[in-house]
Amino acid sequence: EAGVAQSPRYKIIEKRQSVAFWCNPISGHATLYWYQQILGQGPKLLIQFQNNGVVDDSQLPKDRFSAERLKGVDSTLKIQPAKLEDSAVYLCASSLDTGTSGSPNFGPGTRLTVT
Amino acid sequence: AQRVTQPEKLLSVFKGAPVELKCNYSYSGSPELFWYVQYSRQRLQLLLRHISRESIKGFTADLNKGETSFHLKKPFAQEEDSAMYYCALKWSQGNLIFGKGTKLSVKP
Repeated sequence: EAGVAQSPRYKIIEKRQSVAFWCNPISGHATLYWYQQILGQGPKLLIQFQNNGVVDDSQLPKDRFSAERLKGVDSTLKIQPAKLEDSAVYLCASSLDTGTSGSPNFGPGTRLTVT
Repeated sequence: AQRVTQPEKLLSVFKGAPVELKCNYSYSGSPELFWYVQYSRQRLQLLLRHISRESIKGFTADLNKGETSFHLKKPFAQEEDSAMYYCALKWSQGNLIFGKGTKLSVKP
């Protein structure tokens, strides 16, 4: 099966600019996650979707970050405006469901550098 | 609060030596734990999960609820095991809390 796809793979922007990331999950996976991984840290959940509904966005900085999942398949994550501390790798992951059988499959990530 | 701790940032061993990557967790519920691995220039991938009680690539991990640990072990390390290893705890709604990771370096 094809894995989780993400684009772009790399992005460099200046602070206060906007940026968007795209994710295409594994076909049939109902659950989609966006994680932020800052250098030297483990991934941290930003938002979790179940189909096209938000399950958990408690750690999403909603003043600047937004995400949507179109028709329960693809998803976009946007940052507007970006800050220096947003420099990180943004990982998209998907799983069949949230139950015991589901463990997230990760995409390659988008490395964001904010200057 | 739920937390995953990996005390070692870097673990360096020689080929053929035993390896143990430590993971401790804090969680009031019934834990479900995973080990993920990231090889150089590859994506993060699942290595093993405690409910499967399986051995993958020679690695095993046993959940010890008394010590709240889920250490990853391999009796004889290989050079191709060099990678970043992340311990993760599954909790509310199925999302994962990750430790900071341990970089394993296996020298020839």
